[in-house]
Amino acid sequence: QVQLQESGPGLVKSSETLSLTCTVSSGSISGYYLSWIRQPPGKGLEWMGYISYTGSTHYNPSLKSRVTISADTSKSQFSLKLTSVTPADTAKYYCARGAWSGDLEYWGPGTLVTVSS
Amino acid sequence: QSALTQPASVSGSPGQSITISCTGTSNDVGNFNYVSWYQQYPDKAPKVVIYDVTKRPSGVSNRFSGSKSGNTASLTISGLQGADEADYYCSSYTTSSTLVFGGGTKLTVL
Repeated sequence: QVQLQESGPGLVKSSETLSLTCTVSSGSISGYYLSWIRQPPGKGLEWMGYISYTGSTHYNPSLKSRVTISADTSKSQFSLKLTSVTPADTAKYYCARGAWSGDLEYWGPGTLVTVSS
Repeated sequence: QSALTQPASVSGSPGQSITISCTGTSNDVGNFNYVSWYQQYPDKAPKVVIYDVTKRPSGVSNRFSGSKSGNTASLTISGLQGADEADYYCSSYTTSSTLVFGGGTKLTVL
């Protein structure tokens, strides 16, 4: 069974960079699209971006200037960097593996990141 | 890109059928047959219940079905059960090669 697990700091200060890593176990990341999705407390899902198995990236236009997604296929890991964070970036961050068309088949449990002012 | 439009809430009694709509534009829902639906319980990760508009992943009950007409996709749950009470989100692939989610719908089983 494919499993994903997010890891990284649970608290980040305003103006700093939020960095998270997703480790995929019992399954490959090659051939798939790897997404980051976030959910502010009590609110809906927001797709942040994804990286393909070829290394190409696509980002949510509203976050494009601040987001970078990268992957290390040798470690079955992919990462998220979000720069210049504010309290509005406080959310549960999920990683997911799926198809290019958006079928997000496997999700991590999510990790809550709080941005302090 | 704007979020897809879903009703904030829907409700139904056990055994009934409900339908949740998801309205987008010709840049997303109307242009591709790549709409997915996710079920999310409180404090849990979302789980896909429908993908590619009508396809059901292995293990998902056949009480869940999807359809699309023009710029609006729909999720129908028949034979409503208490376990179906959850938040539901639609998503679509877009002409910008990105994904976009709907705002979410809270399903209450009366």
